[in-house]
Amino acid sequence: ELKVEQNPLFLSMQEGKNYTIYCNYSTTSDRLYWYRQDPGKSLESLFVLLSNGAVKQEGRLMASLDTKARLSTLHITAAVHDLSATYFCAAPHNFGNEKLTFGTGTRLTIIP
Amino acid sequence: KAGVTQTPRYLIKTRGQQVTLSCSPISGHRSVSWYQQTPGQGLQFLFEYFSETQRNKGNFPGRFSGRQFSNSRSEMNVSTLELGDSALYLCASAGGTGLQETQYFGPGTRLLVL
Repeated sequence: ELKVEQNPLFLSMQEGKNYTIYCNYSTTSDRLYWYRQDPGKSLESLFVLLSNGAVKQEGRLMASLDTKARLSTLHITAAVHDLSATYFCAAPHNFGNEKLTFGTGTRLTIIP
Repeated sequence: KAGVTQTPRYLIKTRGQQVTLSCSPISGHRSVSWYQQTPGQGLQFLFEYFSETQRNKGNFPGRFSGRQFSNSRSEMNVSTLELGDSALYLCASAGGTGLQETQYFGPGTRLLVL
């Protein structure tokens, strides 16, 4: 059974600092998703990573995928308060499958 | 393009009742998935429908059921509600090919069971 683990669960960081959220998954997968969730809101899609070595960047967020290590990272550069949210990674159960298993989420708080 | 819509946004029910939630996917999307989000269990997959057929199913009891209509709109039903069914229910739509696309989530229906 596919398992997705994220760490850390909680992250408090100062504005202007860099940090990385890690996402490990237990079985091979053809995609890896990153989502953002603000309190009381739904999930907002950030990135879809499709292949080994894939790197995508949007603003201060950069996501990468290493399918051999079954590891994805979400790197935050020079954090700003607006990035405070919970971040989830998710992987499908098998190739072409829409059934996603989500990680536990990382609650990120940016302190001024 | 309009996003995924869900109705109602909030519901309060009592134990033993049943509830039906509705989801309208993004135009052109044929895959609709449902997820339950609770503080204790996180985000859990309920089921996925594609072209009116259930294509995937999660590990939930038979009290949870769903269906999809020919216009891709989907409903999920929970019968004999229990306190533990209180959750945010999220619907997601996708093109259904599984490649180079993301799942787009609706705003959710927050269900409270008293």
